[in-house]
Amino acid sequence: KAGVTQTPRYLIKTRGQQVTLSCSPISGHRSVSWYQQTPGQGLQFLFEYFSETQRNKGNFPGRFSGRQFSNSRSEMNVSTLELGDSALYLCASSPDPTSTDTQYFGPGTRLTVL
Amino acid sequence: DAKTTQPPSMDCAEGRAANLPCNHSTISGNEYVYWYRQIHSQGPQYIIHGLKNNETNEMASLIITEDRKSSTLILPHATLRDTAVYYCIVRESYNQGGKLIFGQGTELSVKP
Repeated sequence: KAGVTQTPRYLIKTRGQQVTLSCSPISGHRSVSWYQQTPGQGLQFLFEYFSETQRNKGNFPGRFSGRQFSNSRSEMNVSTLELGDSALYLCASSPDPTSTDTQYFGPGTRLTVL
Repeated sequence: DAKTTQPPSMDCAEGRAANLPCNHSTISGNEYVYWYRQIHSQGPQYIIHGLKNNETNEMASLIITEDRKSSTLILPHATLRDTAVYYCIVRESYNQGGKLIFGQGTELSVKP
């Protein structure tokens, strides 16, 4: 079974631009979570989607948004990019959003904001 | 905030067992302990999880104390490829959101 895939793998943007990242979960998985990883803050939860609905949201500004499609694929969008948004963005999928369904991570998208 | 405390770094000799400790004294009765590892900015890799019983799989063993306030991840025969940052996570219950709240992890260096 194919793992979680994320596109693109690398991205360079400039301040003020917006960016859209994509995540395809493992086949059959309906829950998708997004995380941001930076050297200073570590791995931080952004949001989770299940059945096309945002189920959970972390403590990030409204510039960070996401959505999930009927095939469970998910996108996240960051508008008005700031230098501090440079990070590794990770997507994880699980069958359902229970505390026992393991989340499996993708390879991440490395975003650099200049 | 993360509910776990881990040593920032550990060394282990190749071929020996690596025992990675984790404290989670505020864990609630229905919260699971999860372990992931991350090798040099790749996506975190799931290792094992448990509630209160000891668990073993092909990668590792998880020993949880009876009071559930701490646990130990055991890699029975560490290899150089086990060099990574290991994260111990107390996962929120479903009603709380079920999120994985990562701490700073333990950087394990396996040396020849």
